[in-house]
Amino acid sequence: EPEVTQTPSHQVTQMGQEVILRCVPISNHLYFYWYRQILGQKVEFLVSFYNNEISEKSEIFDDQFSVERPDGSNFTLKIRSTKLEDSAMYFCASSGQGGYGYTFGSGTRLTVV
Amino acid sequence: SQQGEEDPQALSIQEGENATMNCSYKTSINNLQWYRQNSGRGLVHLILIRSNEREKHSGRLRVTLDTSKKSSSLLITASRAADTASYFCATDAFGQAGTALIFGKGTTLSVSS
Repeated sequence: EPEVTQTPSHQVTQMGQEVILRCVPISNHLYFYWYRQILGQKVEFLVSFYNNEISEKSEIFDDQFSVERPDGSNFTLKIRSTKLEDSAMYFCASSGQGGYGYTFGSGTRLTVV
Repeated sequence: SQQGEEDPQALSIQEGENATMNCSYKTSINNLQWYRQNSGRGLVHLILIRSNEREKHSGRLRVTLDTSKKSSSLLITASRAADTASYFCATDAFGQAGTALIFGKGTTLSVSS
């Protein structure tokens, strides 16, 4: 069964450093997303991406965040200057033609120290 | 309050019993989805029910949707210890395909043998 692949599975970074989280969505999917889950809390939407541009973003997705689809397969989330409160599990997801039926990756656990 | 609120927050049952979790939401939706998350792991899509459907089955899972009450239920029959996990409902934010999902806080299910 097709999967959404995220790398790395765990990343530790110093506060103030830039991090790039990587995702390979399902190849024929058209919609791409990033979500995050702070430990013990609910999953929160960050951003959606369609047709090579951001289609929606939440209040969390401020100027410190950016997304990119640098080639035909990867979808990345960049945090420019990490803060302690950015520590969370970050999930990438993709969905197909109708926008339904999300598939989530297994997540990247980001720890900012 | 939030879109997609589950109750109960926690549920403890014995193996073989049925588990019922409920979800309420506020706005109109295209579809409602249920996800499972094992502790510290990724989100696993369980089932999607469209707004024009009232009931859907998948193996031991039964989902109902009542759009007039803006509520859904997830029933797991003949539960197993492996069903121990957190369960989340998620609705599309604006009733459009490809839009963000809004997750509830989840129900933590514990199945003891």
